[in-house]
Amino acid sequence: GDSVTQMEGPVTLSEEAFLTINCTYTATGYPSLFWYVQYPGEGLQLLLKATKADDKGSNKGFEATYRKETTSFHLEKGSVQVSDSAVYFCALSDHGGAQKLVFGQGTRLTINP
Amino acid sequence: DAGVIQSPRHEVTEMGQEVTLRCKPISGHDYLFWYRQTMMRGLELLIYFNNNVPIDDSGMPEDRFSAKMPNASFSTLKIQPSEPRDSAVYFCASTEPDARGYTFGSGTRLTVV
Repeated sequence: GDSVTQMEGPVTLSEEAFLTINCTYTATGYPSLFWYVQYPGEGLQLLLKATKADDKGSNKGFEATYRKETTSFHLEKGSVQVSDSAVYFCALSDHGGAQKLVFGQGTRLTINP
Repeated sequence: DAGVIQSPRHEVTEMGQEVTLRCKPISGHDYLFWYRQTMMRGLELLIYFNNNVPIDDSGMPEDRFSAKMPNASFSTLKIQPSEPRDSAVYFCASTEPDARGYTFGSGTRLTVV
């Protein structure tokens, strides 16, 4: 079945550091790919998405590129802030995103001032 | 729009009691999902509905769990009888049938003692 694998956390960085969180996927079709962020005590929020190969999703300084050849969707940010501390989830959905999302296990990110 | 609304935010109950979690999706969203989040198992899809009809309930742990969607604006997840291993955060999410991704509620933190 479809699956998503994320780099294990926790990840701890200093403010203004460069961030990469790796995500790879396995899917039978051509999925849509997503990154969600969960702040403490809250639900998940959509951070960015990409629906086809070579698409780049971006939001709030984060970006990720849909790489079909490597089945990857790595999350990057050039300069992280303390407010970026959260848990980040990579996810995929077949059939245009309307149906169920399959999530990775989440990566906890802590940014120190 | 008020977003996806879940109630209660926190629930503490004794083992063996019935627990009912509630969700109001975003108006116009045709899909509704129930997820469970624990440290050990991450995010698990329990069940989802399309136009109030259950589509996939393969993630429902056992017969103690049941979910209903009597109309487009309301869904319940019931656990009867509850057990300590049911302690988790339960999320509801809704979406339109395109690739925009889900909108999650803030979750219900359930503790069964």
